[in-house]
Amino acid sequence: GAGVSQTPSNKVTEKGKYVELRCDPISGHTALYWYRQSLGQGPEFLIYFQGTGAADDSGLPNDRFFAVRPEGSVSTLKIQRTERGDSAVYLCASSLQGAAIYEQYFGPGTRLTVT
Amino acid sequence: EDQVTQSPEALRLQEGESSSLNCSYTVSGLRGLFWYRQDPGKGPEFLFTLYSAGEEKEKERLKATLTKKESFLHITAPKPEDSATYLCAVQAGDNKFYFGSGTKLNVKP
Repeated sequence: GAGVSQTPSNKVTEKGKYVELRCDPISGHTALYWYRQSLGQGPEFLIYFQGTGAADDSGLPNDRFFAVRPEGSVSTLKIQRTERGDSAVYLCASSLQGAAIYEQYFGPGTRLTVT
Repeated sequence: EDQVTQSPEALRLQEGESSSLNCSYTVSGLRGLFWYRQDPGKGPEFLFTLYSAGEEKEKERLKATLTKKESFLHITAPKPEDSATYLCAVQAGDNKFYFGSGTKLNVKP
């Protein structure tokens, strides 16, 4: 079956611009997570959705970052007024929350470069 | 503070040379410990979930074990295709996942 997909795979933008990153989770997975991964580091938690609502957004670094999941499936991570420090790989993962198994399945990521 | 530390940062092995990777953690309300494999330019690929101390899981040349403070990923007779970064993550009581920085494994033929 289809795994988690993310678009675009690469995004280059100028400092100060607005970007949207999209995540399509595995069908039927109710939990969705966004992470940011810098070179040589593990993924860093940003936000977690259970269904349509953000269950925990404590990892969002500041108010320039926002994420939505309006219908409980696809999610969009939005970054306003991008800064060079936002450059990283943004990973999305989904899991079958509510079951005994909580492992996450990751997408390939979106590499964001802010110039 | 919830924390996950992996060691070593990098490991070079000859093909067939067995070794172990370490993941030590401090977390409130551990729900599970997870091992992932990450190849360059790709997202992490799920390997194992461990839930309680004493538990072991195996898959091909990999075996993961768990104690109350750490987990080991044992690699038996590795092959070059096992070269990757291995990530450890813990799921805390708040449902958040905390990742270590990974161990970059290089297996030479």
